[in-house]
Amino acid sequence: VQLVESGGGVVQPGRSLRLSCAASGFSITTFAMNWVRQAPGKGLEWVAVVSHDGRLIYYADSVKGRFTISRDNSKNTLYLQMNGLRAEDTAVYYCARENYFVSGTYSLGAYDMWGQGTMVTVSA
Amino acid sequence: QSALTQPPSASGSPGQSVTISCTGTSTDVGDSKYVSWYQQYPGKAPKLMIFGVNKRPSGVPDRFSGSKSGNTASLTVSGLQAEDEADYYCCSYGGRANWVFGGGTKLTVL
Repeated sequence: VQLVESGGGVVQPGRSLRLSCAASGFSITTFAMNWVRQAPGKGLEWVAVVSHDGRLIYYADSVKGRFTISRDNSKNTLYLQMNGLRAEDTAVYYCARENYFVSGTYSLGAYDMWGQGTMVTVSA
Repeated sequence: QSALTQPPSASGSPGQSVTISCTGTSTDVGDSKYVSWYQQYPGKAPKLMIFGVNKRPSGVPDRFSGSKSGNTASLTVSGLQAEDEADYYCCSYGGRANWVFGGGTKLTVL
């Protein structure tokens, strides 16, 4: 049971990159999925969320209009399309499962499973 | 949306208790039932320790507890152990379909 991110790398400012997050051992069909990033030596920053069925999508103001979160439940995979990349987007990007029923208790914002992260470096 | 405010560092001796604060505003922590806490070791992914302000996932030791008063949430670690040394982050619903994390607190076990 795990999440595995891929697609990170070094990219020039203004260019694009697409991250993937493949789930194994469970189906993402019933979970909202999130992207959270962490700049080198800094704290966590929530980036975006997509509902279990893909109908509801929300973004942090810092990436709105540049990043697109999506999911393919048939492939059990989450994506993050990042366009117009900036130096301040340099970070480790984590995908995180949002579980509404952790240990049988309802809650929002409980990220109970995380991937290992993929590094994105935006530099000329 | 500004990050929630956490002290950069906290410390305690083995067996002692330490409390980490997480201060927000009336539009995030103060108005949210959904405050969570994460533990992160260097180079590793975060781990959920507390959700819904004060609920513990199965497998998390009951030495970890959460609470909230007004615009400030708190994580208390009782009976400190060496393996508790890590970074801790709070997270709250921030309104307008946004989530906000705290800046993180490095917990040192002396």
